[in-house]
Amino acid sequence: DTGVSQDPRHKITKRGQNVTFRCDPISEHNRLYWYRQTLGQGPEFLTYFQNEAQLEKSRLLSDRFSAERPKGSFSTLEIQRTEQGDSAMYLCASSEALRNSPLHFGNGTRLTVT
Amino acid sequence: AQSVTQLGSHVSVSEGALVLLRCNYSSSVPPYLFWYVQYPNQGLQLLLKYTTGATLVKGINGFEAEFKKSETSFHLTKPSAHMSDAAEYFCAVLLQTGANNLFFGTGTRLTVIP
Repeated sequence: DTGVSQDPRHKITKRGQNVTFRCDPISEHNRLYWYRQTLGQGPEFLTYFQNEAQLEKSRLLSDRFSAERPKGSFSTLEIQRTEQGDSAMYLCASSEALRNSPLHFGNGTRLTVT
Repeated sequence: AQSVTQLGSHVSVSEGALVLLRCNYSSSVPPYLFWYVQYPNQGLQLLLKYTTGATLVKGINGFEAEFKKSETSFHLTKPSAHMSDAAEYFCAVLLQTGANNLFFGTGTRLTVIP
């Protein structure tokens, strides 16, 4: 169990640019989640996959955000035309299929939009 | 809709003193309940969870929490604080049915004074 891995750890970009983050979940886990965390707040749910199917999306996930998990393994989160308000920590988590299975989080990608 | 309230965004205790972090939830049905800890620049780590059964739940690092349905509370305690306990603590709820994502509180930052 190597844990959930996220890349990159930090990303600084200029407003208007596109960015893409990657998440590699724990290999046995078929559920994968993306959360966003801003300073002084708890994580906010963005989206969730079971295998390659994206099953839930938050209203926080605007049209500029897209997430994929093409082979049911790793996932990518892309933000197009970044805005300063997108600056946050983006957390990925994975879990087993049972509903109350705990989420295992990665260390996150910190995005700074200048 | 569910919500989570963590009373006290900052809590300070002396080393060796009792730690008490408060969490109240609002849900139409008893949810699953979780406590996570976050160290600086890291992801969240599960401390403990309540699903069903015994209402007093023991977790890692000497922490425990008690589910009190009548008070809609799930407070986190530790008898004796250690310097390494200094971190941010998040309470989270997951409904037993419906949307399959964790809903987090805003967190409590614990400071341990030597």
